[in-house]
Amino acid sequence: EVHLVESGGGLVQPGGSLRLSCAGSGFSFSSHWMTWVRQAAGKGLEWVANIKQDGSQIYYMDSVKGRFTIYRDNAKNSVYLQMDSLRAEDTALYYCARDQVMNILTGYYDYWGQGTLVTVSS
Amino acid sequence: SYDLTQPPSVSVSPGQTASITCSGETLGEKYASWYQQKPGQSPVLVIFEDTKRPSGIPERFSGSNSGNTATLTISGTQAMDEADYYCQVWDSGIVVFGGGTKLTVL
Repeated sequence: EVHLVESGGGLVQPGGSLRLSCAGSGFSFSSHWMTWVRQAAGKGLEWVANIKQDGSQIYYMDSVKGRFTIYRDNAKNSVYLQMDSLRAEDTALYYCARDQVMNILTGYYDYWGQGTLVTVSS
Repeated sequence: SYDLTQPPSVSVSPGQTASITCSGETLGEKYASWYQQKPGQSPVLVIFEDTKRPSGIPERFSGSNSGNTATLTISGTQAMDEADYYCQVWDSGIVVFGGGTKLTVL
């Protein structure tokens, strides 16, 4: 069975850093694009970044470019989101999700983790 | 940037058909997906590539996409379908979600 488990969230001051992790199991992790999506409390879904199977292609939403870095370690079946220069508006529940089809980017996500909460506040 | 517009809320009586729209410029030229999210839960993919249902999704969920509008249709709506629904597209690696529609079954 496919599982995605996020960790690393917490309370951080504005300007601080945090690294989120997402561990996958039950599927061929190295064969799928992976993505991070966030959701502020009471708000909608917001795509953050995605990364190709081998890490050679990466895309970010405009507001996190230069501050967030997505990367993966296929040997550990994990994808990460390094978040620097955090702002109050980055406060959200962060989900990782799996692109549905192996080896290509389809842009739709069939498995999601339960999310990890990031709070940016002084 | 590309924007997707959804109505904030839709109401439907049990057993009736609910339609949730998603509008965007030349949306029909892209593939649309739909996600269902119930309170306190992670999103669930219910429609992908405009019309396809993942395994395990009931047949009462269907989708269409043409022109500037994609539509999620739920036939014979049940109380368990009450949730937030989000449309989504991607283009050149960038993913966009609609603002979400709260479906109320009453």
